Amino acid sequence: GAVVSQHPSWVICKSGTSVKIECRSLDFQATTMFWYRQFPKQSLMLMATSNEGSKATYEQGVEKDKFLINHASLTLSTLTVTSAHPEDSSFYICSARVNLETQYFGPGTRLLVL
Amino acid sequence: RKEVEQDPGPFNVPEGATVAFNCTYSNSASQSFFWYRQDCRKEPKLLMSVYSSGNEDGRFTAQLNRASQYISLLIRDSKLSDSATYLCVVNHNFGNEKLTFGTGTRLTIIP
Repeated sequence: GAVVSQHPSWVICKSGTSVKIECRSLDFQATTMFWYRQFPKQSLMLMATSNEGSKATYEQGVEKDKFLINHASLTLSTLTVTSAHPEDSSFYICSARVNLETQYFGPGTRLLVL
Repeated sequence: RKEVEQDPGPFNVPEGATVAFNCTYSNSASQSFFWYRQDCRKEPKLLMSVYSSGNEDGRFTAQLNRASQYISLLIRDSKLSDSATYLCVVNHNFGNEKLTFGTGTRLTIIP
């Protein structure tokens, strides 16, 4: 099946630093990718929809200037958490859309901000 | 009211037993429905789509009741490897493909 990778798989950083997470579709092209966040014991919450060649669409309550998304190619979307703070510590998961019915998820990136 | 609601569990079930999960959704215009499973500290993986007529995949049976806005998942002859969190997922589908996830139901199969 289709494979989506994320890098890094985990990151620990100091408060105030920026962290970039990459999401790649390895064997297919994805014009649309999605970024989710999951806090412990909570459901996945969609943060934004990343569209190749255009600006991302952010969900209500998600700060676009804090969570920068770039979808520069059909196989790569990046999420940059700028000036990260402890409350940004979470499990960040991307998915790549294959068709209207199917998305494949990356393995996730666990972020811990000290 | 949450868009997708599930009993969080946990469900602790002996190996070989049958277990059923339920899910309700609030948006009557929802078009597509899925069950995902998520293992601890892993990404969610699609278990099966849910069709209006109900569908079965091996030991797993999914049912959809549009009138009641209710989705179910039945696992028969449960295995230890079935231990996971089961996520009910809904796609509104009207012009976008955003998935809305339930909080999940945690299942532990006991040997």
